[in-house]
Amino acid sequence: GAGVSQSPRYKVAKRGQDVALRCDPISGHVSLFWYQQALGQGPEFLTYFQNEAQLDKSGLPSDRFFAERPEGSVSTLKIQRTQQEDSAVYLCASSWARSSYNEQFFGPGTRLTVL
Amino acid sequence: AQTVTQSQPEMSVQEAETVTLSCTYDTSESDYYLFWYKQPPSRQMILVIRQEAYKQQNATENRFSVNFQKAAKSFSLKISDSQLGDAAMYFCAYRSNSGGGADGLTFGKGTHLIIQP
Repeated sequence: GAGVSQSPRYKVAKRGQDVALRCDPISGHVSLFWYQQALGQGPEFLTYFQNEAQLDKSGLPSDRFFAERPEGSVSTLKIQRTQQEDSAVYLCASSWARSSYNEQFFGPGTRLTVL
Repeated sequence: AQTVTQSQPEMSVQEAETVTLSCTYDTSESDYYLFWYKQPPSRQMILVIRQEAYKQQNATENRFSVNFQKAAKSFSLKISDSQLGDAAMYFCAYRSNSGGGADGLTFGKGTHLIIQP
């Protein structure tokens, strides 16, 4: 089927606004990851879901960041009270099983700009 | 914590030539995986090649091959017969196997590969 999709592709927010970024993983993929990619940098891990369970959120930079995957499929990354340093591309990736060997398939990302 | 270092911010190669991208990493673990990802200007990250740390044989995928030196913690990518479509950012990535698949990837800063026609 289709690959990983993310929406919106671009988001401009004023400082202090809340934003919600959506990820649709490949159908049947158990594992879902969120990464943050600042300009000119490699992606940095934010959080990991296995089905609906959030097993690792060690990479979330502050308590303003919140992620959920209530039905084990679509995931939403929410950022409250956005700050300029939150400007980045947010990448979602999914893989079909819980295994370090399994390939992570990435979405196109959401570019967030906070003014 | 693991770190991945890519010391070449940019590399340029003539079409049809061979280029090698460097990557070193730091870890105290013995069980892990290494990956090279390609990120074209459209920004969708694509897996190029992967290597299991316990395997001594270097991975190969068509024109792409790696030189994995576990003791030196080095993992370079060789692209043979470079093509215009190879132009992209290339990221080296590390993934621990200690979390049973729950670990995210640790990426380097990337190397921008330019292909000269």
